[in-house]
Amino acid sequence: GAGVSQSPSNKVTEKGKDVELRCDPISGHTALYWYRQSLGQGLEFLIYFQGNSAPDKSGLPSDRFSAERTGGSVSTLTIQRTQQEDSAVYLCASSLGTLTTNEKLFFGSGTQLSVL
Amino acid sequence: QQPVQSPQAVILREGEDAVINCSSSKALYSVHWYRQKHGEAPVFLMILLKGGEQKGHDKISASFNEKKQQSSLYLTASQLSYSGTYFCGTVSGSARQLTFGSGTQLTVLP
Repeated sequence: GAGVSQSPSNKVTEKGKDVELRCDPISGHTALYWYRQSLGQGLEFLIYFQGNSAPDKSGLPSDRFSAERTGGSVSTLTIQRTQQEDSAVYLCASSLGTLTTNEKLFFGSGTQLSVL
Repeated sequence: QQPVQSPQAVILREGEDAVINCSSSKALYSVHWYRQKHGEAPVFLMILLKGGEQKGHDKISASFNEKKQQSSLYLTASQLSYSGTYFCGTVSGSARQLTFGSGTQLTVLP
């Protein structure tokens, strides 16, 4: 596709349920990032993929959060046993190379997650 | 560690100038600037790579003082379309993540 695609655009779930958020990066982009943005707040780093491996998982807030990337393309962010504080917009971004090669990030429109 | 942005918010009239500052406690490899309009994805503005480097895009420019680990974004003769939240992102050390500041909300009034 022409840009980074995220699905679903909106997700409402009940506390305690698991959710999966999907990200389709721009074709050919090797780096993929997940960020979280709470209402009116900044962009909180969650995880970074280079290819299929995740050299930096330092931002995952708890062991309820996990992410994988397959085929160097699609990534899935899974949140288990969702809590109300997980409510936020989850943004995915991709880049052609790494930050050390000074590549800019292209962001998707995000998934608005609401945990009731 | 998250870079610090200031001010948190600024309101100006069309045609006025604004400066947004970004500072870090870490040695920086590069600084990114992004703009996010309400309900939309952040959009890339520019990357600054070297100490003292300045870049410009239309009437938006930025500087990077590597020694002070600071960057500033300059908006000249602001237009209504400049409204949005501006984020600086910093890359340091292992350069595996882009760490964003908390953002500066810019509102341009007619």
